Amino acid sequence: GEDVEQSLFLSVREGDSSVINCTYTDSSSTYLYWYKQEPGAGLQLLTYIFSNMDMKQDQRLTVLLNKKDKHLSLRIADTQTGDSAIYFCAESNWDFGNEKLTFGTGTRLTIIP
Amino acid sequence: DTGVSQNPRHKITKRGQNVTFRCDPISEHNRLYWYRQTLGQGPEFLTYFQNEAQLEKSRLLSDRFSAERPKGSFSTLEIQRTEQGDSAMYLCASSPQAGGNQPQHFGDGTRLSIL
Repeated sequence: GEDVEQSLFLSVREGDSSVINCTYTDSSSTYLYWYKQEPGAGLQLLTYIFSNMDMKQDQRLTVLLNKKDKHLSLRIADTQTGDSAIYFCAESNWDFGNEKLTFGTGTRLTIIP
Repeated sequence: DTGVSQNPRHKITKRGQNVTFRCDPISEHNRLYWYRQTLGQGPEFLTYFQNEAQLEKSRLLSDRFSAERPKGSFSTLEIQRTEQGDSAMYLCASSPQAGGNQPQHFGDGTRLSIL
């Protein structure tokens, strides 16, 4: 079955770039997503990428996918205090028409002033 | 587009009681999903609907749990005879239709606390 892993914590100075990493196990065609969760709130979709792509950029966000190593990263440029949150990586497997998302445990991003 | 709406936001109840949560998806979204998130973990899939049809249920969804989407619009999730282990955030998501390029959009969840 699918498995998604993330490191639990990341601390970054305000203004620096944050890089949040994720590894997944599914080898089929898949979509990979990044969600942001602030305290007491639900999940906000940030961006997503299909497994035939290497990179996707959206304003301050850059997603890199290494399909060979099954490694996904989210880079946040010019990190701000409002970026403090938990970031979840998730995958869905569309080869099997799998509708559900499988999430990692989340990475808590802390911004140091 | 008002987003996915969940009610109530918080529910505190005694063990053994029944609880029901409601989810209103984004208008015209055919797909509706329920997830459960415990403290320090990522969300785990429970079940999903295509219009009014429930298409998949996780093994996590014991026989004390039931979900409905009677008219293909809002959905309810009921937990009967609640247990301590049911304490969690229950998240609802919706998407326009099938397809990984139709990502799921989440509500703010209902936090359930069992005394």
